Amino acid sequence: AQKITQTQPGMFVQEKEAVTLDCTYDTSDQSYGLFWYKQPSSGEMIFLIYQGSYDEQNATEGRYSLNFQKARKSANLVISASQLGDSAMYFCAIGGKLIFGQGTELSVKP
Amino acid sequence: GAGVSQTPSNKVTEKGKYVELRCDPISGHTALYWYRQSLGQGPEFLIYFQGTGAADDSGLPNDRFFAVRPEGSVSTLKIQRTERGDSAVYLCASSSTGGTYNEQFFGPGTRLTVL
Repeated sequence: AQKITQTQPGMFVQEKEAVTLDCTYDTSDQSYGLFWYKQPSSGEMIFLIYQGSYDEQNATEGRYSLNFQKARKSANLVISASQLGDSAMYFCAIGGKLIFGQGTELSVKP
Repeated sequence: GAGVSQTPSNKVTEKGKYVELRCDPISGHTALYWYRQSLGQGPEFLIYFQGTGAADDSGLPNDRFFAVRPEGSVSTLKIQRTERGDSAVYLCASSSTGGTYNEQFFGPGTRLTVL
């Protein structure tokens, strides 16, 4: 069985600063994909970034980067230069059929 | 192009009633997923379709839940004899081919309330 653990229920960050959201995973699969989604208060799930287990480079998408440490089974999301619009729930997932963590609520302070 | 759409956006029903939730995926996407999200939780997988067939229905909680995708496009999630515990947001997602390496695009969800 696969499992995602997000240990930070809530995080605060000052506008324009960087923030790291933690994610650890458990899987017995040799090949897997890791995803991060953003869910604003409006409820839609927005895809942010993907990392394949065999990718040698850490994934980056604009202000989002994924700090992938395979040996530690961690896939932390780094958001650089935080903006007020980044305030939302953030979910880490592994899949296929996606298995989500409990999420981290990020609040960006002006 | 259009994203994933779901109807209705809200559904209020009484305990014991039957409900149908509809999902219209992105055109051309062969893979379709249903998830359920309870308040304060991450989404939970229910069922995955590849084309017309259910490739994985291991997340359906019991036999009151059933889903179809007869023509490989629109899908309907059906819940019989609804219970108060079925109250949640039901999310639908689609991806181009399914599998481990394709991002899923989510619809806005249907908020189901069972009174």
